[in-house]
Amino acid sequence: GENVEQHPSTLSVQEGDSAVIKCTYSDSASNYFPWYKQELGKRPQLIIDIRSNVGEKKDQRIAVTLNKTAKHFSLHITETQPEDSAVYFCAASNSNSGYALNFGKGTSLLVTP
Amino acid sequence: GAVVSQHPSRVICKSGTSVKIECRSLDFQATTMFWYRQFPKQSLMLMATSNEGSKATYEQGVEKDKFLINHASLTLSTLTVTSAHPEDSSFYICSAVSRDNARNIQYFGAGTRLSVL
Repeated sequence: GENVEQHPSTLSVQEGDSAVIKCTYSDSASNYFPWYKQELGKRPQLIIDIRSNVGEKKDQRIAVTLNKTAKHFSLHITETQPEDSAVYFCAASNSNSGYALNFGKGTSLLVTP
Repeated sequence: GAVVSQHPSRVICKSGTSVKIECRSLDFQATTMFWYRQFPKQSLMLMATSNEGSKATYEQGVEKDKFLINHASLTLSTLTVTSAHPEDSSFYICSAVSRDNARNIQYFGAGTRLSVL
């Protein structure tokens, strides 16, 4: 089955700095890669996603890049703000599995003022 | 955006009792719903995939007789933890995929924190 590795497990940055979280996946059939933000005790919220036919996608301060050959994808957050502090999960899925999500272990991001 | 309601948000029960958790898509029809389990400070682990009108598909290591899933309509899936024991204590989260959503985005419920005494 699919195995998603996520690094780092914790990340602390100062407000205004950039944060980068990296994930790798094992199944070359995976074709959908969402990123979720989860605040303590809350539901995961989709913040950005990318499909395998695209190499990069950007939405304001958030961007995701995908390298299909190397099977890795990354989340980039620029101009970080304290409210960006949360746990971020990457995931991978494919249409053959009905888009069931295989999650990485999560990255706890702390943005200090 | 699409809203998924999960109920109850918190339940405390005695060992040996059964607990039912409901997952509803409020403003869309969900062809597929997923059930996840999340331990403290850990990732979401897929338990099963639930398709309306058919039997759920369970992930390896998940006991189907322990975690009963029913997806009777396009807006409701239920997870019943039968004969719950303390080791079943966890955060259970459902998600739903919109029937009309070509992007197949999963929308998550708010989760149910189960504590078995």
